[in-house]
Amino acid sequence: QITLKESGPTLVKPTQTLTLTCTFSGFSLSTSGVGVGWIRQPPGQALEWLALIYWDDDKRYTPSLKDRLTITKDTSKNQVVLTMTNMDPVDTATYYCARRLADAYTNYVDYWGQGTLVTVSS
Amino acid sequence: QTVVTQEPSLTVSPGGTVTLTCASSTGAVTTAYSPNWFQQKPGQAPRALIYSTSNKHSWTPARFSGSLLGGKAALTLSGVQPEDEAEYYCLLYHAGNYFFGTGTKVTVL
Repeated sequence: QITLKESGPTLVKPTQTLTLTCTFSGFSLSTSGVGVGWIRQPPGQALEWLALIYWDDDKRYTPSLKDRLTITKDTSKNQVVLTMTNMDPVDTATYYCARRLADAYTNYVDYWGQGTLVTVSS
Repeated sequence: QTVVTQEPSLTVSPGGTVTLTCASSTGAVTTAYSPNWFQQKPGQAPRALIYSTSNKHSWTPARFSGSLLGGKAALTLSGVQPEDEAEYYCLLYHAGNYFFGTGTKVTVL
């Protein structure tokens, strides 16, 4: 059974750094083709892809936020951590992590966590 | 930055058919963009439906299908059920990154 779960603060102040942890089970981030990504969704708005870390530690960030994002993994703990610096009220959103798989023929995101709502307010 | 555009809203009658599309600001969507489609209901996490243009996950109902249509990715719902009322998002892979579409609200009426 594959599960992912996000954890972290529900409230952060403007200018602070947000640290979120995705803890997963049922797959390994050391397997070729596997990745874990972070996605966010402001209230009432669309999904936004943030970052992705691959099994080989390659990292990709959405261009508009790359200067504020850092993604890391701890394969032994089955965890992926996302940090976002200089938080602003517009960063208020539900943050999701999800599994990404790819091989020579396919490329997809399948399992998602339940999401965690982060509010940025003083 | 790549902008991915979907119809804001569509309405379909129960039992009817509706097609949602997904366009990229970078040009025609091809299989190389590996289009994925997701369904999201209020208060829930997105659920994967279609990957790599037209492949279904094991849990995807048969009435959902994916394709390329006129330079866009497309999701077709055939024999629509009331429970298909939801927001639908496409996801494209381009230049090493992923980009979500703007979302389509499907109303079953």
